[in-house]
Amino acid sequence: ETGVTQTPRHLVMGMTNKKSLKCEQHLGHNAMYWYKQSAKKPLELMFVYNFKEQTENNSVPSRFSPECPNSSHLFLHLHTLQPEDSALYLCASSQNFGPIEQYFGPGTRLTVT
Amino acid sequence: GIQVEQSPPDLILQEGANSTLRCNFSDSVNNLQWFHQNPWGQLINLFYIPSGTKQNGRLSATTVATERYSLLYISSSQTTDSGVYFCAVEKSGGSNYKLTFGKGTLLTVNP
Repeated sequence: ETGVTQTPRHLVMGMTNKKSLKCEQHLGHNAMYWYKQSAKKPLELMFVYNFKEQTENNSVPSRFSPECPNSSHLFLHLHTLQPEDSALYLCASSQNFGPIEQYFGPGTRLTVT
Repeated sequence: GIQVEQSPPDLILQEGANSTLRCNFSDSVNNLQWFHQNPWGQLINLFYIPSGTKQNGRLSATTVATERYSLLYISSSQTTDSGVYFCAVEKSGGSNYKLTFGKGTLLTVNP
């Protein structure tokens, strides 16, 4: 248990569906991150939020839409995904910006059919 | 961007054996973390070690920042040590939050 929770843990969706992934951190951190882990590829940073403000969009397609209503919650809204978007989506948080530890949630395993 | 190479890519051990995992990186770093990803996908923090040596039970890590590598030592391995071990770094003078991950070492510990 790292103090970062994600729901759902598994999700199967069709290409025309709309769904959302949720992340919540109980660590009092101010920065939150979305990462994507595809099969046989390193983890890739997708989005970064610092004090609810987005500071990084790592060239992510617009079919992924993040939302950070407060420093404890982070969402990833999904719509019209492609089968190649199937992956493990990991949320992380850190106390602040800077070269400090990031703590990860358990991930949501997404399958797009 | 910074390159991170981990070796070996795969490692099979018998329970009780020791192992050393290596992480090489191509530029100076101000952040280096070792993670263990269990079979369910959870990334567990092992060490935050941009330089120096740390130990935690059967695990220890050493980072030689001037030579751009880090080592993770696992002693008296157990089956629960199985999984993928990732090294992640952040380039000095970079964005201050962008961790770059290696491809990992898949460790299998057999009983």
